[in-house]
Amino acid sequence: DAKTTQPTSMDCAEGRAANLPCNHSTISGNEYVYWYRQIHSQGPQYIIHGLKNNETNEMASLIITEDRKSSTLILPHATLRDTAVYYCIVREGYGGATNKLIFGTGTLLAVQP
Amino acid sequence: GAVVSQHPSRVICKSGTSVKIECRSLDFQATTMFWYRQFPKQSLMLMATSNEGSKATYEQGVEKDKFLINHASLTLSTLTVTSAHPEDSSFYICSAREGGAGEQYFGPGTRLTVT
Repeated sequence: DAKTTQPTSMDCAEGRAANLPCNHSTISGNEYVYWYRQIHSQGPQYIIHGLKNNETNEMASLIITEDRKSSTLILPHATLRDTAVYYCIVREGYGGATNKLIFGTGTLLAVQP
Repeated sequence: GAVVSQHPSRVICKSGTSVKIECRSLDFQATTMFWYRQFPKQSLMLMATSNEGSKATYEQGVEKDKFLINHASLTLSTLTVTSAHPEDSSFYICSAREGGAGEQYFGPGTRLTVT
């Protein structure tokens, strides 16, 4: 079963920042937080991941709370092409028996013009 | 990022026939490959995990004799849906990972329709 909770859907205005929350209150010490997104009828696309420090790449920023029980994915300037289902997933690091991605229901982000 | 391809992208087959879907890692060696299935308006469901040269490990409720997985090389895995039925119609997505701690990269998916 998925170990994360996300809102079912969110809207965001084009050009504004999109902040997608995720709760993972049962995360264990060796589990990473991963974010993927899936545009309709395509395979999931990797966005970013982190363990406990905030992370940033060319696509997004990931803010993880100090207790690691929740995180927020930030798309700084959302465009219409960012409309997708965003999945927050916790995954064990190297060698873990659950070292695989189990998808929950995700958040459908609709970017509005 | 790493590229994973799938072939075919779409396939239509008659009930009772078998269908093979290929998954290839194009620019890295995939020690582990994963197969997912996605029904309309639902999330991805993991079907099985395979390590190169080993038998696949199937998730609970997935019939291993119906969904045959072969991972004979570090760049190729195949999923064969045997004796397909209309309820097997779905979007099948493969994923590949290099090493035990590498990232998982996903293929574009294969739309299977069984008539």
